Amino acid sequence: DTAVSQTPKYLVTQMGNDKSIKCEQNLGHDTMYWYKQDSKKFLKIMFSYNNKELIINETVPNRFSPKSPDKAHLNLHINSLELGDSAVYFCASSQEDPVAGGSYNEQFFGPGTRLTVL
Amino acid sequence: DAKTTQPPSMDCAEGRAANLPCNHSTISGNEYVYWYRQIHSQGPQYIIHGLKNNETNEMASLIITEDRKSSTLILPHATLRDTAVYYCIVRVQHTQRQDSNYQLIWGAGTKLIIKP
Repeated sequence: DTAVSQTPKYLVTQMGNDKSIKCEQNLGHDTMYWYKQDSKKFLKIMFSYNNKELIINETVPNRFSPKSPDKAHLNLHINSLELGDSAVYFCASSQEDPVAGGSYNEQFFGPGTRLTVL
Repeated sequence: DAKTTQPPSMDCAEGRAANLPCNHSTISGNEYVYWYRQIHSQGPQYIIHGLKNNETNEMASLIITEDRKSSTLILPHATLRDTAVYYCIVRVQHTQRQDSNYQLIWGAGTKLIIKP
């Protein structure tokens, strides 16, 4: 069984379109993330949700809107797609350490969604 | 900017130990060192993490210098499947449940190529 799954795996679309990427985790984790990996392979965190609440929102254009209908899902909706949005988007999840002061536990990543904007 | 510095690439012979260095000279006392790897066309995979002491698990060993300004990831018997980009990451210790300043900053990593 896939721990963290994303759909679609590939997404090719025209500039100006609106698209969504879905993410689901079956690990029972309470924290989920979206990362963007650009052509230079740098991974940058975009959003983090804990128990359906946004806890990290990096400097990301407001065209990107994450939505967490429940703890197991964190979807990413992108409006008015631009050429610069072309990248691989990774979803991840982790179980936060319940004891304050502990280290973060490992993050489990999905297989990625390669978005190409033409 | 990433808080770590790694060599861009390394080679290692199959069956030998692969030693991947990482510099994190600005690390703070409560920041952990994490290692992940990313095999081509896959999502990153957690390997190991540590704070001060050396750590070992079924995948690798992590050696952290006493001053904590550098560390080395050791894959004891490298196989062809270990070919990947290895990321050394400094992560801030979690102090409260909703820490809006927390973030994971990834560098360029080391591309490790295992040769037969």
